[in-house]
Amino acid sequence: KAGVTQTPRYLIKTRGQQVTLSCSPISGHRSVSWYQQTPGQGLQFLFEYFSETQRNKGNFPGRFSGRQFSNSRSEMNVSTLELGDSALYLCASSLGAETNSPLHFGNGTRLTVT
Amino acid sequence: AQSVTQLGSHVSVSEGALVLLRCNYSSSVPPYLFWYVQYPNQGLQLLLKYTSAATLVKGINGFEAEFKKSETSFHLTKPSAHMSDAAEYFCAVSTSTGFQKLVFGTGTRLLVSP
Repeated sequence: KAGVTQTPRYLIKTRGQQVTLSCSPISGHRSVSWYQQTPGQGLQFLFEYFSETQRNKGNFPGRFSGRQFSNSRSEMNVSTLELGDSALYLCASSLGAETNSPLHFGNGTRLTVT
Repeated sequence: AQSVTQLGSHVSVSEGALVLLRCNYSSSVPPYLFWYVQYPNQGLQLLLKYTSAATLVKGINGFEAEFKKSETSFHLTKPSAHMSDAAEYFCAVSTSTGFQKLVFGTGTRLLVSP
């Protein structure tokens, strides 16, 4: 069974631009979560989608948004990029039926903002 | 709000020695607890999870963790370290709130020397 796939693996953007990251979950998984990982703040929850609906959102500004499609694939968008948005963005999928259903992570997209 | 504290940002052991990585949690309700491992340039891989079925949880690669409610701890152990165990380890907690959200500790980097 294929794992969680994130594209692209690396991105370099300029301040003020916007970016879209993509995530394909494990087949059969209906929940997709996004996390930001930085050396200073560690791993922080961005949001979670289940059956195309955002179930929960972390404490990030409105520049960070996401969506989920009917096939459970998800995208995350960051508008008006800032230098502090440089991070590893991790997507995770799970069955989502239970809150203790373990998350399976992709290898991430490393975003560098210059 | 739930949280986890990982004691020691770095732990060094010799190959063949006992590995002990510490995690203490804070939660007002019975928690679900997880240990994840991250190798360089990769996402997080689930090692094991506690969901109240048994206090001693066995995971992959010879790791195990014991849930101790009285000490609010969920320490990760392995009897004999291998060079391949060198990585960063994260403890995480979630609670039964109807959606997927993990709160991660700051991580412990395990160094294994020959």
